[in-house]
Amino acid sequence: DAKTTQPPSMDCAEGRAANLPCNHSTISGNEYVYWYRQIHSQGPQYIIHGLKNNETNEMASLIITEDRKSSTLILPHATLRDTAVYYCIVIEGKLIFGQGTELSVKP
Amino acid sequence: GAVVSQHPSRVICKSGTSVKIECRSLDFQATTMFWYRQFPKQSLMLMATSNEGSKATYEQGVEKDKFLINHASLTLSTLTVTSAHPEDSSFYICSARESGGIETQYFGPGTRLLVL
Repeated sequence: DAKTTQPPSMDCAEGRAANLPCNHSTISGNEYVYWYRQIHSQGPQYIIHGLKNNETNEMASLIITEDRKSSTLILPHATLRDTAVYYCIVIEGKLIFGQGTELSVKP
Repeated sequence: GAVVSQHPSRVICKSGTSVKIECRSLDFQATTMFWYRQFPKQSLMLMATSNEGSKATYEQGVEKDKFLINHASLTLSTLTVTSAHPEDSSFYICSARESGGIETQYFGPGTRLLVL
């Protein structure tokens, strides 16, 4: 079973920041948090990952709480093309996908 | 970023035939590749882990004699669905993890299989 909990769906207005939460209360000290997204009928796309520190790349920012029990993926300026299912995954040597959050970016 | 390809992108076959799907890492070497299956409106389900030069490790409930996996080189893994039946119709996706790298996996675009 996936070790993470995410809301099933979220809406975001185009141009605004999308903040996607994830709970991983049973995460252990050496496990990374990974985020992927899947646009309809495509393979998942890697977004970002982190261990303890906050991370930022050209796609998104990842904020991890100090106790590492939750994290937030931030898309700073969401576009219509960001509409997808977003998966938060705690690595267990292999990626086990939960149900993810279906993000709808609306005009 | 790392690129993974799959071939074919879609295939239609008759019940009882076998179908082979290829997964290639184009710009990196992958000691480990993974095969997933996804049914409509469901999440990805891991089927098996494929290690170069050794036998694949199958997840519980996945029939190893039905889903044959070969990982003969550091850039190629194949999944063969043997004696396919309509219930095998699904979206099959592979991923690859770079040799010596951390855990990041890169996914192929998927293969849609329809068994008539």
